[in-house]
Amino acid sequence: NAGVTQTPKFQVLKTGQSMTLQCAQDMNHNSMYWYRQDPGMGLRLIYYSASEGTTDKGEVPNGYNVSRLNKREFSLRLESAAPSQTSVYFCASRRQGSDKGAFFGQGTRLTVV
Amino acid sequence: TQLLEQSPQFLSIQEGENLTVYCNSSSVFSSLQWYRQEPGEGPVLLVTVVTGGEVKKLKRLTFQFGDARKDSSLHITAAQPGDTGLYLCAGAWTSGTYKYIFGTGTRLKVLA
Repeated sequence: NAGVTQTPKFQVLKTGQSMTLQCAQDMNHNSMYWYRQDPGMGLRLIYYSASEGTTDKGEVPNGYNVSRLNKREFSLRLESAAPSQTSVYFCASRRQGSDKGAFFGQGTRLTVV
Repeated sequence: TQLLEQSPQFLSIQEGENLTVYCNSSSVFSSLQWYRQEPGEGPVLLVTVVTGGEVKKLKRLTFQFGDARKDSSLHITAAQPGDTGLYLCAGAWTSGTYKYIFGTGTRLKVLA
C-alpha cells in the first residue's frame, strides 16, 4: 500500500540542465498535483491535472512542464533549471469531490547550483 | 499571490498554553482542510470542514469554518511538545475547477 511515490528523493542540478520528477499513485485518484515548498513556507501550486489527459496551470507554472501519462502517473519537467527553482517538490493526489483531502509523496529535494 | 493567508506565521509557546491559528481568504471555498507537516515529510490531513459555521474536534484540536466559508481557525488546548510542526490550511473551490491551494503556513514550536 504505497500511496504516492516520488522519485528521486534528492537531486543536484547545474544551471541549464534538465530533469524530470516522477510521481505515481496507486489509490485510483483522478486529480493529481505538483507543489513546491520553499524554506519555512507553505505549498505553492505549480500544475494540476483533474483527470487523465488534462493539465492546468497553478500559481507558479513558469519554467515547468507536466505530463499526465495515465491515471497513475504525473511527471514534472524542468527544461532549463535555474537557481530560483531550488526547492522541495511535492506530488499529491486527491479523489474527486470538493470535500476530499490530498495524499502526498515524500517530496524531492532539488538544488540547482 | 497566495490566496490563503495564515496567521501567525510563527508561534513559540510553553507546554500547557492554548493557541489559535487563523486561515483567511477573500474567496469562498466549498471545503477547507487542515494539515500538519513534520520535517522531511509531506503534509498529513487532520480534518475537513465543509459547512459554514461547522466546528470539528480532534482530541485537543478544535477546527471551525467561518459562516461565509472564507476563513477557518484551528485552536489547540493545552499544547504539548508533540504538537510542534507546520500547520497548513488548504482550500477547494466549488465545482468548475479542481484547483487546490494551500495557505502560507504556521510554524508552531511547543517548548517543554
